Amino acid sequence: NAGVTQTPKFRVLKTGQSMTLLCAQDMNHEYMYWYRQDPGMGLRLIHYSVGEGTTAKGEVPDGYNVSRLKKQNFLLGLESAAPSQTSVYFCASSYFGQGASGANVLTFGAGSRLTVL
Amino acid sequence: GEDVEQSLFLSVREGDSSVINCTYTDSSSTYLYWYKQEPGAGLQLLTYIFSNMDMKQDQRLTVLLNKKDKHLSLRIADTQTGDSAIYFCAESIAQTGANNLFFGTGTRLTVIP
Repeated sequence: NAGVTQTPKFRVLKTGQSMTLLCAQDMNHEYMYWYRQDPGMGLRLIHYSVGEGTTAKGEVPDGYNVSRLKKQNFLLGLESAAPSQTSVYFCASSYFGQGASGANVLTFGAGSRLTVL
Repeated sequence: GEDVEQSLFLSVREGDSSVINCTYTDSSSTYLYWYKQEPGAGLQLLTYIFSNMDMKQDQRLTVLLNKKDKHLSLRIADTQTGDSAIYFCAESIAQTGANNLFFGTGTRLTVIP
């Protein structure tokens, strides 16, 4: 099993360009998440999805869009990149079912480093 | 909103114990977690503790939770150079849409040989 796979691993963009980060998981997880990691700020949740066809905003959703057309994939889009979006982006997934109780154990991808010039 | 705080750096000598501390503000946390991030990699779950527990031990790892003070700690016994990494604490809150996890800033542990 590959777990959570993110593509691309590295990307450099110019201000105003658009791009899409792809996250794929092969664990049949219901929940998927996109986080960004910035120095001294930890991980902040951008958007998440509780199942195929659903998306919801996290803590820092502005400037990003997401789609979950297939259960195994979660796409993060930047329509018009800004230097403030320079960051390392992590995708994660979990088996935690909606309405269930218990720990929410996330499996993370290796990250995608994005630089916006 | 949810606020999870950690000190940024910790250095210990190989063989000593490491204690990484975390404070959180939301009293409705259901579970608290410790994740480890090695250089250039994603986060990996180390352990978690239910909010009604005081302590959990797993081999070299001991988690202590003081719910009254909203304080969580991770003790690593006999710290090795392979333990050098960034350690994140996180809390999950049942009321959030997907039992979302809120992470601290991370503590960079450096183990000196």
